[in-house]
Amino acid sequence: AQSVTQLGSHVSVSEGALVLLRCNYSSSVPPYLFWYVQYPNQGLQLLLKYTTGATLVKGINGFEAEFKKSETSFHLTKPSAHMSDAAEYFCAVSDDIRDDKIIFGKGTRLHILP
Amino acid sequence: EPEVTQTPSHQVTQMGQEVILRCVPISNHLYFYWYRQILGQKVEFLVSFYNNEISEKSEIFDDQFSVERPDGSNFTLKIRSTKLEDSAMYFCASSETRTAFATNEKLFFGSGTQLSVL
Repeated sequence: AQSVTQLGSHVSVSEGALVLLRCNYSSSVPPYLFWYVQYPNQGLQLLLKYTTGATLVKGINGFEAEFKKSETSFHLTKPSAHMSDAAEYFCAVSDDIRDDKIIFGKGTRLHILP
Repeated sequence: EPEVTQTPSHQVTQMGQEVILRCVPISNHLYFYWYRQILGQKVEFLVSFYNNEISEKSEIFDDQFSVERPDGSNFTLKIRSTKLEDSAMYFCASSETRTAFATNEKLFFGSGTQLSVL
């Protein structure tokens, strides 16, 4: 069965610094991978997703993630953090296009320090 | 951008009571979902719904749970006899097509209903 592991339930970075949120997945077949963001009092919003093709995926708000099959990873990065990036970030996986469900990680709370 | 709306934002109930969580999916969407997140834990899939029937459900979605699309706009989740462990944030989601995994397709989530069972 597929699963995702997010390393670090809380990550703090200074404004302007690199953001790196880690995600490793487990899947028996080529996965579909997602990053979602949840701002306070809002729903989950899709940041980006990998289905097929280019392994470096660009999303909204300057975020990107790279699918690395050899490392079973899909880490989320942003070159320069902004205060508005403070939120909870969820990595998710699905490995069956016949399957309706997406399997989420526990989430990482990103704190931006002034 | 269109959005999925959920009501109420917070619901408090007594153990053993029935609750109905309401969702209004995006109007042209055909696939509907419920997820939940217990505090400090993962967001978990509950159920998917298409063409007026359940297409997939998780182990969590037992006989105490049911879903319904009573009219052309609402999508509801009913818990018949709530338990303490049902306390969680419940998210509704919808998508336009069968798969949320096609390159140009995405799942739209509501802001959630926080259910507290006392």
